Amino acid sequence: NAGVTQTPKFRVLKTGQSMTLLCAQDMNHEYMYWYRQDPGMGLRLIHYSVGEGTTAKGEVPDGYNVSRLKKQNFLLGLESAAPSQTSVYFCASSYGWGAQPQHFGDGTRLSIL
Amino acid sequence: GQQLNQSPQSMFIQEGEDVSMNCTSSSIFNTWLWYKQEPGEGPVLLIALYKAGELTSNGRLTAQFGITRKDSFLNISASIPSDVGIYFCAGLKDHDMRFGAGTRLTVKP
Repeated sequence: NAGVTQTPKFRVLKTGQSMTLLCAQDMNHEYMYWYRQDPGMGLRLIHYSVGEGTTAKGEVPDGYNVSRLKKQNFLLGLESAAPSQTSVYFCASSYGWGAQPQHFGDGTRLSIL
Repeated sequence: GQQLNQSPQSMFIQEGEDVSMNCTSSSIFNTWLWYKQEPGEGPVLLIALYKAGELTSNGRLTAQFGITRKDSFLNISASIPSDVGIYFCAGLKDHDMRFGAGTRLTVKP
């Protein structure tokens, strides 16, 4: 009964390095999302996917790329990490958009030095 | 893009007291959601509201979807220590979902 699982939980990067955050869900949800959470602010949507093979930009997409090759996985990539990308990243999934509530993972805390 | 204004930012209350927090926006939303987040975890959905004027309860929690569709409030009655956490509102319309900055609740035993 895992729900939404994010890996890794913590990571420290140097400016300019690249990395990929993995999100996996076992609820057969069509929709998946990546958010970032910064102190004093609400979650902001980076990218989302409405189904396998599809992705779309959210509110703050710059500097990130995503892929949804399998329905259960949603990957968030940072090609060249910047200190401004230091944040806690949350993945979520839902059956659909609109009135469908989202289920969140426990987050990945990422620090860029 | 539009943000949600959530207030208060923080609350320090005594166990047993009632709590009220609200969320306002300059834009209309079709769905209002309230989440709770505890340290080191992701937000967990508490209540979802789908219709203007709707009043929904979940145990000691009650939330309402404002008539104008631009606001929502959450009440917690008879607070207990495990109510501690950050409460977030979220508004949803089409493919746009916005979160408030959160209300940090501290409950003193």
